[in-house]
Amino acid sequence: GGIITQTPKFLIGQEGQKLTLKCQQNFNHDTMYWYRQDSGKGLRLIYYSITENDLQKGDLSEGYDASREKKSSFSLTVTSAQKNEMAVFLCASSILPGVNTLYFGAGTRLSVL
Amino acid sequence: GDKVKQSPSALSLQEGTNSALRCNFSIAATTVQWFLQNPRGSLINLFYLVPGTKENGRLKSAFDSKESYSTLHIRDAQLEDSGTYFCAAGRAGGSNAKLTFGKGTKLSVKS
Repeated sequence: GGIITQTPKFLIGQEGQKLTLKCQQNFNHDTMYWYRQDSGKGLRLIYYSITENDLQKGDLSEGYDASREKKSSFSLTVTSAQKNEMAVFLCASSILPGVNTLYFGAGTRLSVL
Repeated sequence: GDKVKQSPSALSLQEGTNSALRCNFSIAATTVQWFLQNPRGSLINLFYLVPGTKENGRLKSAFDSKESYSTLHIRDAQLEDSGTYFCAAGRAGGSNAKLTFGKGTKLSVKS
């Protein structure tokens, strides 16, 4: 089995701040994803990456940047944190895009003061 | 409207009873995944389905692509089944990696 590790677990930021979230997987999966989860809503796709150095926009990419530095890691940047924003950011991976089981990390909980 | 609609939005079960959760799609799904988000927030994959059925212990899931719905049956509910269940619709082929998630069904199992 493998594991997806997200860091940090909790992130407190200031309004306007640039914040970076990191994700590492040891499944050797090609595809990685970043989802955002707001209370009472389903998961919404921010960015995904089919392979190293690839980047594809999801439905919620505005206000975010992402980087697939190598096959095992995928980072997400909140370009300008919004005041009172609270959400959970979930990283996931799968062998191939869209057609295989998705495995999730434990999430990064963001609060913006 | 929502492309993936889950029902009910919340459910309370007595330990040992059975129930079914449902997912209706207004998009052309070719695959379905069911997840359980436990109270600590971790998302666990329960099933990956192409049209048909799968069973794993007390859980059974079915996916009918023609009628655009999927169900998750829970038999003999246990306290550790509590959490939020999400379904997600996918489309096989190409580079389309977008899974569309429902808003979830929050399940509470009581003793």
